[in-house]
Amino acid sequence: AQSVAQPEDQVNVAEGNPLTVKCTYSVSGNPYLFWYVQYPNRGLQFLLKYITGDNLVKGSYGFEAEFNKSQTSFHLKKPSALVSDSALYFCAVKGTGANNLFFGTGTRLTVIP
Amino acid sequence: EPEVTQTPSHQVTQMGQEVILRCVPISNHLYFYWYRQILGQKVEFLVSFYNNEISEKSEIFDDQFSVERPDGSNFTLKIRSTKLEDSAMYFCASNPTGSETQYFGPGTRLLVL
Repeated sequence: AQSVAQPEDQVNVAEGNPLTVKCTYSVSGNPYLFWYVQYPNRGLQFLLKYITGDNLVKGSYGFEAEFNKSQTSFHLKKPSALVSDSALYFCAVKGTGANNLFFGTGTRLTVIP
Repeated sequence: EPEVTQTPSHQVTQMGQEVILRCVPISNHLYFYWYRQILGQKVEFLVSFYNNEISEKSEIFDDQFSVERPDGSNFTLKIRSTKLEDSAMYFCASNPTGSETQYFGPGTRLLVL
């Protein structure tokens, strides 16, 4: 069975500070991990993914995430937050051979000017 | 940049009525999906579709739901007899062969009264 945990419903960070949005997962086999962002009244936009290879993956808008197999985590990070980063962030996982993405409950990021 | 499009953006219907939600996946993509997001909750998988047939479906996708690719560009989700609890944002997604990344449309907000 697949599961994704985003332990924080809300993350607040000051503009210019580093941000982290946490995600842990459980899946059979090797995980395929994704981050999506949802702006108000918009669809889900793909940010980045980990499939294989380097544990640190870089994505859109300066975001990056680090795959940690031993901790089964895939935290989203950005060195310097922008007010425009304020949105709802979803972590998702797909198991090997599965078709569908399994999403976490989302974390609302608010960047304070 | 090619995008998944969905119509309508909003739909209001009476309980018991049939609705058809339409999606145009990205043109060279072969895998198609429907997800839904009940207000304030996480995104949930409904169904995946490949080679003109359903490849996987969730327990949410019961007999009142059906999907169809009526022509070379559209992918539709039909809800035969809507219930109040079908009120949600419905997202279509697609991905090409050889990529695990699913690209989402902007969604259709369905309200069942």
